[in-house]
Amino acid sequence: AQTVTQSQPEMSVQEAETVTLSCTYDTSESNYYLFWYKQPPSRQMILVIRQEAYKQQNATENRFSVNFQKAAKSFSLKISDSQLGDTAMYFCAFMNYGGSQGNLIFGKGTKLSVKP
Amino acid sequence: DVKVTQSSRYLVKRTGEKVFLECVQDMDHENMFWYRQDPGLGLRLIYFSYDVKMKEKGDIPEGYSVSREKKERFSLILESASTNQTSMYLCASTSGDFQGFTGELFFGEGSRLTVL
Repeated sequence: AQTVTQSQPEMSVQEAETVTLSCTYDTSESNYYLFWYKQPPSRQMILVIRQEAYKQQNATENRFSVNFQKAAKSFSLKISDSQLGDTAMYFCAFMNYGGSQGNLIFGKGTKLSVKP
Repeated sequence: DVKVTQSSRYLVKRTGEKVFLECVQDMDHENMFWYRQDPGLGLRLIYFSYDVKMKEKGDIPEGYSVSREKKERFSLILESASTNQTSMYLCASTSGDFQGFTGELFFGEGSRLTVL
């Protein structure tokens, strides 16, 4: 069975600095998707960034980028120039390619606080 | 703007009561999901549905049932609420079109249920 592990329950960062959230996963599959979702306080969860395992290039979305290490089964999220609005729970998630669509496996989350 | 609406943001029920949590999406999505979110445990899938009148058990279906009579509506039912079902419940939806699938789940704002 696939598992997703986020080893940092809580992190904090100063505004404008860079922070990296860690995620490791376990799977025997070769094709899959990886995601980072963001859940701001009292607001709905939204997709931050997505990586397809067959793509070697790391995904980037504005200030958010990932470091995808397939052999190490590692998928970290880097937030550059942190802003107060980045304060949220961040969830790493996994889905098999060709699996049940939308049936994601989530990690336990990392609570990120951005301090002014 | 895409929208997933959960009928109640906050509910307080008594042990043994029957509880209905409603979710409606306006994106014509085929796939809908109910997750439970608890601190330190992340998101756990309760039930999901790929079509009207179809349902599949997730990882923690015990004590819950679901109903999908219309494509846009997916209801979670607690037949006899218990205190260990106190939690945040998240509804999500996504397209069932595999060609266009991006892995993005669209979430509602959540329903926080307290069972006394």
